[in-house]
Amino acid sequence: NAGVTQTPKFQVLKTGQSMTLQCAQDMNHNSMYWYRQDPGMGLRLIYYSASEGTTDKGEVPNGYNVSRLNKREFSLRLESAAPSQTSVYFCASSAGQPNTGELFFGEGSRLTVL
Amino acid sequence: GNSVTQMEGPVTLSEEAFLTINCTYTATGYPSLFWYVQYPGEGLQLLLKATKADDKGSNKGFEATYRKETTSFHLEKGSVQVSDSAVYFCALFVGGYQKVTFGTGTKLQVIP
Repeated sequence: NAGVTQTPKFQVLKTGQSMTLQCAQDMNHNSMYWYRQDPGMGLRLIYYSASEGTTDKGEVPNGYNVSRLNKREFSLRLESAAPSQTSVYFCASSAGQPNTGELFFGEGSRLTVL
Repeated sequence: GNSVTQMEGPVTLSEEAFLTINCTYTATGYPSLFWYVQYPGEGLQLLLKATKADDKGSNKGFEATYRKETTSFHLEKGSVQVSDSAVYFCALFVGGYQKVTFGTGTKLQVIP
């Protein structure tokens, strides 16, 4: 039962470097999400994809881009990393259509930007 | 807009103590309400949910009742265990918005 798989689990970047966080789900879910988790801030939505071929901004999209590659995969790209992007990133999916709001999370990717 | 407010942590309890974590919400429309739990080093997982007023969600000894009149969804457990140590997130979802709104989380530490 893989569920939602994120890679990498840990990454250290220097300011200005780029990287892509990968996410894949094997539950045939329609909707996928990227959140960041920061101390005292809870989870904040970066981008989401309600269905294959669509993406929308969440609360904190600046500095990020996303690609819904197919129904299974949803990647998050940092084009020019900044220290403010040091965080733990979670990918999640939900069945959708209709969306019940029940999310399934990956284990997280801890990113440090120096 | 939609928002969730939950009590500040950390909460430290002795094993077998009674637990309450408060959660209140503001929402446009008729939300579904959730409690998610995050164990150390892991992602969040759904603990329980309620989809309409007066519903009670329950799982693993935890309970929460959807109170529309007080816009609350407080989490309770009668007797906590060390294994319940985790961060608990209250959340809401309003159909049509495609987004789940989370509270800031409450860390629970249970000591033997």
